Amino acid sequence: EAQVTQNPRYLITVTGKKLTVTCSQNMNHEYMSWYRQDPGLGLRQIYYSMNVEVTDKGDVPEGYKVSRKEKRNFPLILESPSPNQTSLYFCASRRTSQGDTQYFGPGTRLTVL
Amino acid sequence: AQSVAQPEDQVNVAEGNPLTVKCTYSVSGNPYLFWYVQYPNRGLQFLLKYITGDNLVKGSYGFEAEFNKSQTSFHLKKPSALVSDSALYFCAVRDTGFGNEKLTFGTGTRLTIIP
Repeated sequence: EAQVTQNPRYLITVTGKKLTVTCSQNMNHEYMSWYRQDPGLGLRQIYYSMNVEVTDKGDVPEGYKVSRKEKRNFPLILESPSPNQTSLYFCASRRTSQGDTQYFGPGTRLTVL
Repeated sequence: AQSVAQPEDQVNVAEGNPLTVKCTYSVSGNPYLFWYVQYPNRGLQFLLKYITGDNLVKGSYGFEAEFNKSQTSFHLKKPSALVSDSALYFCAVRDTGFGNEKLTFGTGTRLTIIP
């Protein structure tokens, strides 16, 4: 089954404790992206990657890191999480063909205390 | 710069009535337009998209949307609402300008179908 998977689905952590949210897709997509969803703000892009070893900042990259060492994986790293990073996070992927549909993972609900 | 506006945070419709969820956009070139739906505790699911061609696009679950270039709109519609249509709906746009890969989302519209 073609899908985007994220782990963990739920995470409660404390300020300053490094964490990684994994994202993996099995569709051989070149483009992958991370978003955060907050009430009233919709989805805002954190980072994206056009292909292996090619990453770039989105609209709200502060406090986040990413890497793309393999085509299928695009982990999101919070080196020192803070309470304002409490949010719902989505990973997404698609081909870079014109107009191609973007597919989303199930989401990771992160709470930073 | 590209942007999307969903002017209504909440839309309530009686079951069986037609529904419309509004979306307007702004791009410098031509747009690719998308609608996604989010059910509680779920990710975003693709509903439909406009790339080129026929202005009326049909998608999943009986939804359709009409691309109107002069009004820069892409409203989502369904002739007869079901209670199961209750969800959060997002419009998204991507400017087809060269090298642009970014998809920009609206703030979402919560659709509630009243039995």
